[in-house]
Amino acid sequence: DAKTTQPTSMDCAEGRAANLPCNHSTISGNEYVYWYRQIHSQGPQYIIHGLKNNETNEMASLIITEDRKSSTLILPHATLRDTAVYYCIASSRGGATNKLIFGTGTLLAVQP
Amino acid sequence: NAGVTQTPKFRILKIGQSMTLQCAQDMNHNYMYWYRQDPGMGLKLIYYSVGAGITDKGEVPNGYNVSRSTTEDFPLRLELAAPSQTSVYFCASSNQDGGANVLTFGAGSRLTVL
Repeated sequence: DAKTTQPTSMDCAEGRAANLPCNHSTISGNEYVYWYRQIHSQGPQYIIHGLKNNETNEMASLIITEDRKSSTLILPHATLRDTAVYYCIASSRGGATNKLIFGTGTLLAVQP
Repeated sequence: NAGVTQTPKFRILKIGQSMTLQCAQDMNHNYMYWYRQDPGMGLKLIYYSVGAGITDKGEVPNGYNVSRSTTEDFPLRLELAAPSQTSVYFCASSNQDGGANVLTFGAGSRLTVL
């Protein structure tokens, strides 16, 4: 699985969009990009995933560059409850060993 | 639909004691995982299972054992507990869906070894 690189921490004003970057320059063609978040020692929560195309769901949008070497998670209107550690993971699709390896993530602090 | 249930939520062990962390899921997921998270760190994969009767090692398996006799349950056993095993343990489960692997996590079990 490709290594991912994220900033250690970021701040965002409440009500503004939070844009969390992730570099995965060695990603291969069959690897998904996943985003999870962890709110203060709770179990991680799935947010979104994508392969090539941009994706949107009720929680967030995922923008993947055309060369797939980086991506951005967008929380369109951040609230205080979005303060959490956000993990970006690249992992091969399918197969018996499709396990997700978590790094240290980005601590997003939403400020009032 | 309870999702992934972990017990106990908290436990204190003495060095050398043994215990089992329980994990159960009611979503009929094939894959199950155990992770540990040390303070201020990311999650490390201990063991995983792709189905009943099949288990395999993750990144940090030493000092732990697992079994998967049913689809629903995936207990994690600690033999001869050591202070280095003080951590929060998370169980997760998933099904392959079009190739993607979306994990559902339990609330965690906080273990302290003194």
